[in-house]
Amino acid sequence: GESVGLHLPTLSVQEGDNSIINCAYSNSASDYFIWYKQESGKGPQFIIDIRSNMDKRQGQRVTVLLNKTVKHLSLQIAATQPGDSAVYFCAEKAAGNKLTFGGGTRVLVKP
Amino acid sequence: EAGVAQSPRYKIIEKRQSVAFWCNPISGHATLYWYQQILGQGPKLLIQFQNNGVVDDSQLPKDRFSAERLKGVDSTLKIQPAKLEDSAVYLCASSLGRTDNQPQHFGDGTRLSIL
Repeated sequence: GESVGLHLPTLSVQEGDNSIINCAYSNSASDYFIWYKQESGKGPQFIIDIRSNMDKRQGQRVTVLLNKTVKHLSLQIAATQPGDSAVYFCAEKAAGNKLTFGGGTRVLVKP
Repeated sequence: EAGVAQSPRYKIIEKRQSVAFWCNPISGHATLYWYQQILGQGPKLLIQFQNNGVVDDSQLPKDRFSAERLKGVDSTLKIQPAKLEDSAVYLCASSLGRTDNQPQHFGDGTRLSIL
């Protein structure tokens, strides 16, 4: 994901609906991927991770899907709640546990 | 489990001054990272330590930035002299580091403003 500076892509979702956040990664050698949630004034918070030998992983209300063929990662949030409003980043790792972050997507939950 | 601790939370300085940030990682985490996050962007890695040794500092502007982790626990990041473009949030993260593919856990960062 390329940085979009101050103008983050924004996903507006109704409370209770499902959210899908997409991320295109760049390095076909990446073997580990993480989704982070970042609220205003706070550091990124780990949500869920997935290794490249998997194509799906589920957590509590979240599911990450990995499509290595097209280098695409998605995060699905079930029954989106107001507390889910934040900026979401995907990150990819190639060698040495060095993460490269995408540009982020802002999620706004409407009551 | 206590998270990654950083201080100060905010710092305002004038350009050409110096500044230092402090990080205490999660207990037992061997790997420590410093990131720079410019407003509206994802974090960018500056330096990675494994215990007290530097693993990767390829994106650290070494003419003005320095970092150390002398005893393999706490770390400091210093900028001297600061430039306007250094205005950003400086995040510290840590991971267990015993194997690859460990999630990194972040502190809440230090927000630096350069006047």
